[in-house]
Amino acid sequence: DTEVTQTPKHLVMGMTNKKSLKCEQHMGHRAMYWYKQKAKKPPELMFVYSYEKLSINESVPSRFSPECPNSSLLNLHLHALQPEDSALYLCASSQVPGKETQYFGPGTRLLVL
Amino acid sequence: GEDVEQSLFLSVREGDSSVINCTYTDSSSTYLYWYKQEPGAGLQLLTYIFSNMDMKQDQRLTVLLNKKDKHLSLRIADTQTGDSAIYFCAESIRTNKLIFGTGTLLAVQP
Repeated sequence: DTEVTQTPKHLVMGMTNKKSLKCEQHMGHRAMYWYKQKAKKPPELMFVYSYEKLSINESVPSRFSPECPNSSLLNLHLHALQPEDSALYLCASSQVPGKETQYFGPGTRLLVL
Repeated sequence: GEDVEQSLFLSVREGDSSVINCTYTDSSSTYLYWYKQEPGAGLQLLTYIFSNMDMKQDQRLTVLLNKKDKHLSLRIADTQTGDSAIYFCAESIRTNKLIFGTGTLLAVQP
């Protein structure tokens, strides 16, 4: 089983709202990732968690706040977003951090009004 | 540098072979990947190749790697309409990063 699940599938939020994206995997992977993908562009790495600790933050604005409550779950907390933050947010996981194959979830399509 | 380039668009007829090309610049990459993304969906891992290999075949998919020229290709035999999607190559480099190519939109005409 190489399944990564994400909820919700779609999200519409105003610029003053607070919302969270959720990602889950039960493959025993110890590295989890958040990517942002704009239309017709490749995914851009946002954050990497390695053994439940934040190991990479690609200079992401503080209105995005990641959290890794345990080795199976990854959250992305959203607050005071801008319309340009509208995108597909993809979660991925890999067995161990480093040069291991990453498996992606279906994504959450976010629209900020 | 960390640039991975792909041609933007490829159109083929159903039943023909498709060849999608990718060039990368980081010679330290160890694995190179092909992902498929259908409209509105996440990325599906298709196949990968280790950098010390020059070819890998997996059913209808053939990956060729020319490490000297830093060139990677994906050949899809007997292309079907269900193969229509965006295809991304990606290289894994130091730390935990995947560097994605610009993506190639494959359109399969019936």
